[in-house]
Amino acid sequence: AQSVAQPEDQVNVAEGNPLTVKCTYSVSGNPYLFWYVQYPNRGLQFLLKYITGDNLVKGSYGFEAEFNKSQTSFHLKKPSALVSDSALYFCAVRGSNDYKLSFGAGTTVTVRA
Amino acid sequence: GAVVSQHPSWVICKSGTSVKIECRSLDFQATTMFWYRQFPKQSLMLMATSNEGSKATYEQGVEKDKFLINHASLTLSTLTVTSAHPEDSSFYICSARTGVPEAFFGQGTRLTVV
Repeated sequence: AQSVAQPEDQVNVAEGNPLTVKCTYSVSGNPYLFWYVQYPNRGLQFLLKYITGDNLVKGSYGFEAEFNKSQTSFHLKKPSALVSDSALYFCAVRGSNDYKLSFGAGTTVTVRA
Repeated sequence: GAVVSQHPSWVICKSGTSVKIECRSLDFQATTMFWYRQFPKQSLMLMATSNEGSKATYEQGVEKDKFLINHASLTLSTLTVTSAHPEDSSFYICSARTGVPEAFFGQGTRLTVV
């Protein structure tokens, strides 16, 4: 079985400050890890993924994430948050041979001006 | 990235009627699509996997006769909520499998049953 944990329901930061959204996972075999963002009443937008290679992956809108195999984590980061980054963020995982995604519960990010 | 279009964006229907939601891959062929349900401020729950030309695979606890899925072409999957009731009110999202590892999602459909 595969699963994702996002330990924080909410993250609040001031604009210009660093943003971190935490994610840990459990999966058999090599993990395929993803971050998606969702705005109200919208579908999910893909931000970035880790499949293999460098542990630090860069994605859309200045976001990056670091894969840590020993800690089974894949935290999302942005060096300088914007008000427009306020949204719901989902971490997701699947195995390399399985196309079913498992999602975390989501973390609501609020960036205050 | 690949574009997945979902229609309608929102729909209100009367209790007892059926509602069809369409999910289209606009610029690629999708042999597999996925249907999710999302409750307010909650995560996505996978309902079923839709395979072109064959029967959908439903997750445990999802009623096949309630949520009819048809994937008749490589670019279209439909979800029909039959005899809808207020408890079926939710946000439904589809996604499509492409040739890359990440899935691409439709805009979602807000269903309200009154």
